[in-house]
Amino acid sequence: GQNIDQPTEMTATEGAIVQINCTYQTSGFNGLFWYQQHAGEAPTFLSYNVLDGLEEKGRFSSFLSRSKGYSYLLLKELQMKDSASYLCAPGGSGAGSYQLTFGKGTKLSVIP
Amino acid sequence: DVKVTQSSRYLVKRTGEKVFLECVQDMDHENMFWYRQDPGLGLRLIYFSYDVKMKEKGDIPEGYSVSREKKERFSLILESASTNQTSMYLCASTPTTTNTEAFFGQGTRLTVV
Repeated sequence: GQNIDQPTEMTATEGAIVQINCTYQTSGFNGLFWYQQHAGEAPTFLSYNVLDGLEEKGRFSSFLSRSKGYSYLLLKELQMKDSASYLCAPGGSGAGSYQLTFGKGTKLSVIP
Repeated sequence: DVKVTQSSRYLVKRTGEKVFLECVQDMDHENMFWYRQDPGLGLRLIYFSYDVKMKEKGDIPEGYSVSREKKERFSLILESASTNQTSMYLCASTPTTTNTEAFFGQGTRLTVV
């Protein structure tokens, strides 16, 4: 099974930097995804980490430590449109199949 | 443009009805997933399939079954709908290559009355 923990809600100011943490316990780890989900919409892919370290993609960066079962998503120069839920998703495997389960998500509110 | 399509955006069914939620993907993906999403509980995996006619239970399979007769289509079945199955249902697919993101359908908001 999988045990994924991330904060329920966060609030940050427009233009600021925010870090969303995720800890996980999973079997057959195959990398970790971050998704963004705006209210009423389906999740969309943000980033993927399979090796330890930081992956940077524009204003968004994601970090992974496999030994610690820890990841974070870093959002810089926050914009109002970044208000959304951010989902941490460790990919796992078993019985020849690939399983993707999600954390409960962190609802980020960006305020002026 | 890759696409995962769910048959309905909104659905209202009566308690006890048999309900079919259909999902079709045009990307030739091997893996397909069904989730439900509820406030405060996040996305919970119901069932997934890694090949035609193959299925595995997720975290909350009770009250649901699935069918994967063709590679592109994955159906979620509520044998006898109950009010506690009122939820947003999301279908997703991924290829076998594990470092590729999942693509989601637009979701089906099911209300059981």
